[in-house]
Amino acid sequence: QVQLQESGPGLVKPSQTLSLTCTVSGGSISSGGYYWSWIRQHPGKGLEWIGYIYYSGSTYYNPSLKSRVTISVDTSKNQFSLKLSSVTAADTAVYYCAREGRVPPAFDYWGQGTLVTVSS
Amino acid sequence: EIVLTQSPDFQSVTPKEKVTITCRASQSIGSSLHWYQQKPDQSPKLLIKYASQSISGVPSRFSGSGSGTDFTLTINSLEAEDAATYYCHQSSSLPRTFGQGTKVEIK
Repeated sequence: QVQLQESGPGLVKPSQTLSLTCTVSGGSISSGGYYWSWIRQHPGKGLEWIGYIYYSGSTYYNPSLKSRVTISVDTSKNQFSLKLSSVTAADTAVYYCAREGRVPPAFDYWGQGTLVTVSS
Repeated sequence: EIVLTQSPDFQSVTPKEKVTITCRASQSIGSSLHWYQQKPDQSPKLLIKYASQSISGVPSRFSGSGSGTDFTLTINSLEAEDAATYYCHQSSSLPRTFGQGTKVEIK
């Protein structure tokens, strides 16, 4: 059974960089066949896809966040990470990591989510 | 970017009633539409893939239909445990997008 677990600071100051890591267990990122995504949910709101990475390091970012987002992968640790720079209160959200399959290209496994609050 | 619009935003339903949620895409996405259920303080859970294909372990009262731009999620004989917010999601193109969600409340 694949499991994903987010970790990182729950509080980030405005203008700083938000950094989160997703640790994958029960399956290897480097086996290929899947895209590894970050998705966020503002309090009481809907889901916003941030971007994804393939095990090779290939990425795609949501154009709405592209200038501030970096997603990276560490296959040796079976982890992938999110960095979001120059954060503001509008970046306060629950951040999820999720696996997107090839067939179907749907999010079949999710982490439990981690709340990140941007505040001084 | 493909915009997904769900209706209604909110639905209050009695147990055993039938629930219908629609999702309309801003352009044709074939069958690349998936449905999720999110209960309070939980992660979303994949309910239906490719518009109408069932997911192992999901109760058979959940079904989906549609293609192109118009899709429907149906919950037959609603149960109390189905109280949740339901989202559609398209994987036809990047960036991936979601509908705004439909909250289903049990009367």
